[in-house]
Amino acid sequence: DAKTTQPPSMDCAEGRAANLPCNHSTISGNEYVYWYRQIHSQGPQYIIHGLKNNETNEMASLIITEDRKSSTLILPHATLRDTAVYYCIVRGHAGGTSYGKLTFGQGTILTVHP
Amino acid sequence: GAVVSQHPSRVICKSGTSVKIECRSLDFQATTMFWYRQFPKQSLMLMATSNEGSKATYEQGVEKDKFLINHASLTLSTLTVTSAHPEDSSFYICSAPHLNYGYTFGSGTRLTVV
Repeated sequence: DAKTTQPPSMDCAEGRAANLPCNHSTISGNEYVYWYRQIHSQGPQYIIHGLKNNETNEMASLIITEDRKSSTLILPHATLRDTAVYYCIVRGHAGGTSYGKLTFGQGTILTVHP
Repeated sequence: GAVVSQHPSRVICKSGTSVKIECRSLDFQATTMFWYRQFPKQSLMLMATSNEGSKATYEQGVEKDKFLINHASLTLSTLTVTSAHPEDSSFYICSAPHLNYGYTFGSGTRLTVV
């Protein structure tokens, strides 16, 4: 698996955009970037994933650089309930034959404050 | 979206007894299930991978005779912690690959061994 690097913690004011960076300089051509979050004492929750194009869904936007060596997860209007640990993971797509196992790093602890 | 139902959510057991944790995929077939363990303030650590119809694969350092995994059908995987001890107290999480969400996770089981 390609290794990812994330800042250990970030703060964000409620209502503002939260931009969470992730470096994955060793990503290979068929690997996707996945983002998950884990709220305290719950299982991880899927947020978004992408290959090379920017993606947006009801939860967030994912911006992937042209060289695919880094990405940014954007929560456009953070709320207190977005306080969680956010994990950036690079992996083959689950629909393919090479998805394998997910390896979690330490993630970014995002704290949204009033 | 895809749901993995995990039960129980919380269990307290006496030292020396066994505890079974179930994970069911509710609206899709899970040929593979990943089992993770998470200690306080730490990231998820993969314990083992179960595959329907074959033996589970354990990560290095995980005792297969202590953590029995059974993948009885395409919708059910179980983890049994045998002869539990206080050091087995942890948060256990299952995960299954899904075409649309990469990997979908159970809500976790908080095991406390007293």
